[in-house]
Amino acid sequence: GAVVSQHPSWVICKSGTSVKIECRSLDFQATTMFWYRQFPKQSLMLMATSNEGSKATYEQGVEKDKFLINHASLTLSTLTVTSAHPEDSSFYICSAKRTGSSYEQYFGPGTRLTVT
Amino acid sequence: QQQVKQSPQSLIVQKGGISIINCAYENTAFDYFPWYQQFPGKGPALLIAIRPDVSEKKEGRFTISFNKSAKQFSLHIMDSQPGDSATYFCAASKGGGGNKLTFGTGTQLKVEL
Repeated sequence: GAVVSQHPSWVICKSGTSVKIECRSLDFQATTMFWYRQFPKQSLMLMATSNEGSKATYEQGVEKDKFLINHASLTLSTLTVTSAHPEDSSFYICSAKRTGSSYEQYFGPGTRLTVT
Repeated sequence: QQQVKQSPQSLIVQKGGISIINCAYENTAFDYFPWYQQFPGKGPALLIAIRPDVSEKKEGRFTISFNKSAKQFSLHIMDSQPGDSATYFCAASKGGGGNKLTFGTGTQLKVEL
């Protein structure tokens, strides 16, 4: 298989606090992971590309200081939403590309973030 | 800039019928075209994917038709079942671009009994 997990599956936090979301590839190594954001009834929007051992590459318009990404190992990437505000409430989904694979990405189950 | 256009936005099909979802792309550098299925509150799951060197790929009840000259590709779900009711996304990526996926806007499919 190619299983990707995310933790937590849902989180509620207060405005101004920071939240960390973990993305793990459980049965394969992933040199590259991607972070997406999805609003209700909308498509997935790529936020950043995370490469193991190097700095993440952010898409245009995504604040790198607000959405901190760390990819410290071949099976774990983390997204930290700093100083969260209600407008950051969304569904965050990660995907992982198997090391050596050309194209296929495997998605995690998503994390629902609600900022109050 | 919307690089992958998807239609229809929503679709209702009777059980046993054929569901057809269409996508069109602009960037001729795209060389990988997957389709994903997403249930509410879940992450997308890869259904089937195609490379531009073939015009059709079939896996079970799911078929991708690819028209390189028209820059279009479509998903056909044969013998649609109520369990197929979900949102479907087409996507495209290019190998030289870090394999970043560009998603279509999604199609909400409902299969009625």
